[in-house]
Amino acid sequence: QKEVEQNSGPLSVPEGAIASLNCTYSDRGSQSFFWYRQYSGKSPELIMFIYSNGDKEDGRFTAQLNKASQYVSLLIRDSQPSDSATYLCAVTEGNTPLVFGKGTRLSVIA
Amino acid sequence: KAGVTQTPRYLIKTRGQQVTLSCSPISGHRSVSWYQQTPGQGLQFLFEYFSETQRNKGNFPGRFSGRQFSNSRSEMNVSTLELGDSALYLCASSPIAGAYNEQFFGPGTRLTVL
Repeated sequence: QKEVEQNSGPLSVPEGAIASLNCTYSDRGSQSFFWYRQYSGKSPELIMFIYSNGDKEDGRFTAQLNKASQYVSLLIRDSQPSDSATYLCAVTEGNTPLVFGKGTRLSVIA
Repeated sequence: KAGVTQTPRYLIKTRGQQVTLSCSPISGHRSVSWYQQTPGQGLQFLFEYFSETQRNKGNFPGRFSGRQFSNSRSEMNVSTLELGDSALYLCASSPIAGAYNEQFFGPGTRLTVL
């Protein structure tokens, strides 16, 4: 069974710091990796996706992928209180359904 | 462009009843996926429809079913409700099947089974 693991947190970081969120996956055939942000009581919102090994940057967000280690991470630079949310990692092998981790709760302290 | 809409937003049912949830995708999106989110199990895939055909199905009992209409609107049905079916049911749409980088979620339907 395909599994995606995330530390549930909460991960607490001070405002302005770098938040580092991690995710490991079990299926070596996984090809596409997604990070979602979900505010309490709201639906998930896609913030980053990455397909190739290495880093992908978008504004304050950087996704990092290491397929050999089956590891994907999300870095949030200059963290703001508005970044406080649950971050979900999701993985798919081609066009197969997304498999989600249970999420990491991030709290940015002002 | 209007987002994904789901109706109803909240629903309270009792065990043994059945329920139908509705999802209207973003205009032009032909793929609709359904997910169940609970605190214990997280976000889990239920099924995906594309052009009125079920393309994928998750690991849920046969009490969970769905369909898609020619206008891409989708419904899911849960029969013989159990307490464990209490969850947030999310619908997501994308232009084509498997285009997860272009998939948007609706606000969800919060189902409570008493």
